[in-house]
Amino acid sequence: EDQVTQSPEALRLQEGESSSLNCSYTVSGLRGLFWYRQDPGKGPEFLFTLYSAGEEKEKERLKATLTKKESFLHITAPKPEDSATYLCAVQANTDKLIFGTGTRLQVFP
Amino acid sequence: DAGVIQSPRHEVTEMGQEVTLRCKPISGHNSLFWYRQTMMRGLELLIYFNNNVPIDDSGMPEDRFSAKMPNASFSTLKIQPSEPRDSAVYFCASSPDRTYYGYTFGSGTRLTVV
Repeated sequence: EDQVTQSPEALRLQEGESSSLNCSYTVSGLRGLFWYRQDPGKGPEFLFTLYSAGEEKEKERLKATLTKKESFLHITAPKPEDSATYLCAVQANTDKLIFGTGTRLQVFP
Repeated sequence: DAGVIQSPRHEVTEMGQEVTLRCKPISGHNSLFWYRQTMMRGLELLIYFNNNVPIDDSGMPEDRFSAKMPNASFSTLKIQPSEPRDSAVYFCASSPDRTYYGYTFGSGTRLTVV
């Protein structure tokens, strides 16, 4: 069964304290891995798509990487405005996106 | 563009009542998805449409749930009769094609069944 597991469930960081979020997956035939950001009371907002192992994508303080078993979302020198829930999702051999339950990130000044 | 528009934003109803959630996708997007989000299970795909045709409804929990897309600019998700375990945030999303690049979510409808 296709599965996505995110860790940790929650992460508290001091402003400027870099860290990484993990997304491990078990899927038959990965077509794409997606990262989304979700703010309270809002829908998820698309960040990145990764398609093959070794691929990396960057956006401001965020960098996403992909291996054959997991993806990392690296946050460099985070700011309070980076506080949100970060969701990982995979697309396998169907049109469905399978989401993890997310990592809730809080960045304190 | 106003994005994906969902209504209502909040709905509180009594067990056994019918509930209808509404979604207007982004103009020009030909795929539409209904998701449900809970703390325990996260985001679950309920059903999706491509060019107004339901493609996969295997995520619909049971016969109490139904979804329609009568035209390219409108979709509904109906629950009849509603139960307390249906309480969740329901999201609609649209995409310009059947891939997930450029997949845009609405702000969701928070449903509470008492």
